[in-house]
Amino acid sequence: GAVVSQHPSRVICKSGTSVKIECRSLDFQATTMFWYRQFPKQSLMLMATSNEGSKATYEQGVEKDKFLINHASLTLSTLTVTSAHPEDSSFYICSAYDASGGVNNEQFFGPGTRLTVL
Amino acid sequence: GESVGLHLPTLSVQEGDNSIINCAYSNSASDYFIWYKQESGKGPQFIIDIRSNMDKRQGQRVTVLLNKTVKHLSLQIAATQPGDSAVYFCADYNTGTASKLTFGTGTRLQVTL
Repeated sequence: GAVVSQHPSRVICKSGTSVKIECRSLDFQATTMFWYRQFPKQSLMLMATSNEGSKATYEQGVEKDKFLINHASLTLSTLTVTSAHPEDSSFYICSAYDASGGVNNEQFFGPGTRLTVL
Repeated sequence: GESVGLHLPTLSVQEGDNSIINCAYSNSASDYFIWYKQESGKGPQFIIDIRSNMDKRQGQRVTVLLNKTVKHLSLQIAATQPGDSAVYFCADYNTGTASKLTFGTGTRLQVTL
């Protein structure tokens, strides 16, 4: 299947700093990428839908000014956690939607980024 | 799926036995369902999917059953192996809503020797 990468795989930062997480589709073009957050022992919660060349669509309760999403190309979306606080510590996972996936329309998930805010 | 933020339920199965993991979903408009496997510290990995016009689909050692009447999905793993130990999530979506997945709560499968 298609490959999605994330960078960094883990990051530790001080409270108040901003952290950027990259999501790349390596062998296909992704017009749509999704950002999820997963707390320990919980399910994935969709944060936002990132569309190439347009503004992201945020889920209810997700602050767009805190979680900045940029989808500047068909292979790259970035999530910036601004002024991070300890409660933002979580596992952030992106997925990329391959519109050419045919019948399956499968989303391909990245390996995740573990963010720890001290 | 129905994600309510609870701690993950755990299913313990002996190696070689069959595993059955269940999932409920709430959106009656969902027409596409997927099972994912997630190992610790990794992203979800696609296992098998099924469309709403089917009630059963088989893969290699895995079978997914769909009961639309009661909005229930199950994943059956035959001859469970230690490498099957992971958290399993169901996800559903309506193909008319831009592929927006809703994940279930998840079940941790522990395979004992």
